[in-house]
Amino acid sequence: DAKTTQPNSMESNEEEPVHLPCNHSTISGTDYIHWYRQLPSQGPEYVIHGLTSNVNNRMASLAIAEDRKSSTLILHRATLRDAAVYYCILREGGSEKLVFGKGTKLTVNP
Amino acid sequence: NAGVMQNPRHLVRRRGQEARLRCSPMKGHSHVYWYRQLPEEGLKFMVYLQKENIIDESGMPKERFSAEFPKEGPSILRIQQVVRGDSAAYFCASSLRNEQFFGPGTRLTVL
Repeated sequence: DAKTTQPNSMESNEEEPVHLPCNHSTISGTDYIHWYRQLPSQGPEYVIHGLTSNVNNRMASLAIAEDRKSSTLILHRATLRDAAVYYCILREGGSEKLVFGKGTKLTVNP
Repeated sequence: NAGVMQNPRHLVRRRGQEARLRCSPMKGHSHVYWYRQLPEEGLKFMVYLQKENIIDESGMPKERFSAEFPKEGPSILRIQQVVRGDSAAYFCASSLRNEQFFGPGTRLTVL
């Protein structure tokens, strides 16, 4: 179901930037790229989304490759509270459902 | 503005009993989604509802599971004759536009 590929896990040190990659080679022109994260024992939390252009918000930045076959979620300064599973999701234009893969488990070391 | 509320947070049922999970969307949101997360797995879409209508139930098991979102009151996910394999975390989300806001989930344990 999931049309994205992410590393199973990544580690980072506190206050350092983190780049979380996602491959989506079969992306279609109407697919939006969404990122959610899930902290332990909590529901998922929206992080960011984009279509073609890079996007920034207070939580993170999303860098989208020119061919849109990959993207990178950038946390500019990781904190311990950023430790979570990060999901990269393709959402079809006009579709409401989110198809979650296994995500990347991010560990942040103090 | 309160977030998405789900209750109960934890529910224990014996095999064969019924489970009712409730979800109150964020104020002003008329779209509700239900997802299920089995232990150590990602979330799986179950159903998408708008007020009084089921829009997409492609992820719902064919038997024992039903969902509703009445004109008044919370959305209900109902599981009849629960089995051990139904043990999971059930998350509800609501949305207005692009972003889905998730509740804290209901953790169902079937003994």
